Amino acid sequence: EVQLLESGATLGQPGGSLRLSCAASGFDFMDFAMIWVRQAPGKGPEWVSSISSGGDATYYTESVRGRFTISRDNSKDTVYLQMNSLRAEDTAVYYCAKGLTNRAYYPGYFYHWGRGTLVTVSS
Amino acid sequence: EIVMTQSPATLSVSPGERATLSCRASQSVSGNLAWYQQKPGQAPRLLISGATTRATGVPARFSGSGSGTEFTLTISSLQSEDFGIYYCQQYHDWLTFGPGTKLDFK
Repeated sequence: EVQLLESGATLGQPGGSLRLSCAASGFDFMDFAMIWVRQAPGKGPEWVSSISSGGDATYYTESVRGRFTISRDNSKDTVYLQMNSLRAEDTAVYYCAKGLTNRAYYPGYFYHWGRGTLVTVSS
Repeated sequence: EIVMTQSPATLSVSPGERATLSCRASQSVSGNLAWYQQKPGQAPRLLISGATTRATGVPARFSGSGSGTEFTLTISSLQSEDFGIYYCQQYHDWLTFGPGTKLDFK
């Protein structure tokens, strides 16, 4: 059974930094792209970032490019999201999701999601 | 960016009745359209991909139709567990989600 479990500090200040982790199990982690999706309160989900299976290709939505960094450690079956220069509008539940293939480009749709972790950015 | 819109914003239906949810894309997404169901405190659950293909374990009362810019999710006979928010998502040009339709019971 595929399982994805997000963790990390969940309260940050404007201009500050947070790092999220997502531990995966139940599938061959190194064979699949991984994705971060967020959902602001009362809004639809929003794709944030994707990383290829080998970690050599990464993509970001425009609003986080240059501030967020996605990475992965295939030896630990874990994907990360480093969030810098935080803004109030980054407040959301952050989900990690398993890609359909090894490609981060055009990740498609998502069968498997984590339970999500609420990130709040506030002074 | 392809913008997705959904209607209605809220739909109130009695158990056993049929529910029809609509999704529109700002430009053609061909058949690259997915539907999700989300309940409070949970992640979205994939229902439909490719506009019409039910995901594993999804009951047959859920069906998807449409192509291009107009799509529909139909729940033929609502069950109590079907309440929640339904989102459409296009994956033709990168990926974007709609704002959702909240389905609740009369």
